[in-house]
Amino acid sequence: DGGITQSPKYLFRKEGQNVTLSCEQNLNHDAMYWYRQDPGQGLRLIYYSQIVNDFQKGDIAEGYSVSREKKESFPLTVTSAQKNPTAFYLCASTPDREGGNTIYFGEGSWLTVV
Amino acid sequence: AQSVTQPDIHITVSEGASLELRCNYSYGATPYLFWYVQSPGQGLQLLLKYFSGDTLVQGIKGFEAEFKRSQSSFNLRKPSVHWSDAAEYFCAVGAKDSNYQLIWGAGTKLIIKP
Repeated sequence: DGGITQSPKYLFRKEGQNVTLSCEQNLNHDAMYWYRQDPGQGLRLIYYSQIVNDFQKGDIAEGYSVSREKKESFPLTVTSAQKNPTAFYLCASTPDREGGNTIYFGEGSWLTVV
Repeated sequence: AQSVTQPDIHITVSEGASLELRCNYSYGATPYLFWYVQSPGQGLQLLLKYFSGDTLVQGIKGFEAEFKRSQSSFNLRKPSVHWSDAAEYFCAVGAKDSNYQLIWGAGTKLIIKP
């Protein structure tokens, strides 16, 4: 079935470490997104990419980095510069950047700093 | 400033009872409006969306929403809830130009009483 696969589901990070969250989609979508979700808050956009080899910062990009070397893949690295990384991370995609598209989400990754 | 407000953090409803979840928005342009549902620890799924035309929109799982421009609202309704509807519901507002400019509400958690 077509969809978005995020891995790992649960990840623990030590202080000072970088970690990378994987996101793969087989929907042939051009646009991909990374959101952060904290309890009691809506989704906040970290980065988005509308096409391969191109990406832009969202509202809370500091302490995060991404790459888009392949259409199917949009990994997110949470760097040691991110001071409060414990959160639920959601990868998403749309066919293109046009407004009104249904956003398809992965099942999310939980990141905890220990 | 553009914003989305979901006034109710939690709502408890008896199984079989009717449901209304509120969403108010502040947006400069003609908005695109969405409702998404999230089961615990999962990604989000689109329930319905409104772009134009008939202000009463039908969605999946028996949900509907009504766009009221004069009240800047897009409330979600269901005539009779089922235990499986227990989840968190998010309202979002976007622009015609792009999906990455979506503004998300903080969510309403729906609790179903047996």
